[in-house]
Amino acid sequence: DAGVIQSPRHEVTEMGQEVTLRCKPISGHNSLFWYRQTMMRGLELLIYFNNNVPIDDSGMPEDRFSAKMPNASFSTLKIQPSEPRDSAVYFCASSFSYANEKLFFGSGTQLSVL
Amino acid sequence: GENVEQHPSTLSVQEGDSAVIKCTYSDSASNYFPWYKQELGKRPQLIIDIRSNVGEKKDQRIAVTLNKTAKHFSLHITETQPEDSAVYFCAAIPNTDKLIFGTGTRLQVFP
Repeated sequence: DAGVIQSPRHEVTEMGQEVTLRCKPISGHNSLFWYRQTMMRGLELLIYFNNNVPIDDSGMPEDRFSAKMPNASFSTLKIQPSEPRDSAVYFCASSFSYANEKLFFGSGTQLSVL
Repeated sequence: GENVEQHPSTLSVQEGDSAVIKCTYSDSASNYFPWYKQELGKRPQLIIDIRSNVGEKKDQRIAVTLNKTAKHFSLHITETQPEDSAVYFCAAIPNTDKLIFGTGTRLQVFP
């Protein structure tokens, strides 16, 4: 298995532009998570899905952020409009367990908003 | 909600020495405690985990201990090597089923 696949690896955009991050979880995993990592705030859970259904989006910073999981093998995290403070590494992770144990992380997307 | 505190934030040791990282949690219902290692520029990876019905677990040079009464758990790395240098995150899962991470410990192992 190729593991959790994220794209793009790096994204540089200008303030106000729309940004879409993509994730393909490990086949057979039924939970998917989006995390944001910064030096100041560490690893923050933004949203997680179980069986493609959003379970908890309380970590989504504001309405500019949205996430979808149209099927078991694909998820997107969208920021519209983007702001410089959104600059961070965004990780997608998946897990087989309903109890959200043993997370497998993707390589992350390094987002820079100028 | 659950709150996980991790100490120290940075730790420097000489190669061959032991390293200990400690975490405390607030929700007594938490029952699963993993540790993740993140090398510079890489993804976090699970290195060891422990459940609340176990007091200690060991895997080669790493071990984790859990004190449910005091609500703290620790990561122990013996005979440290330069490749152990990384950021280590502890985490806990309370009843909300949402993994809550600590703030991380940057471990540096000097040859």
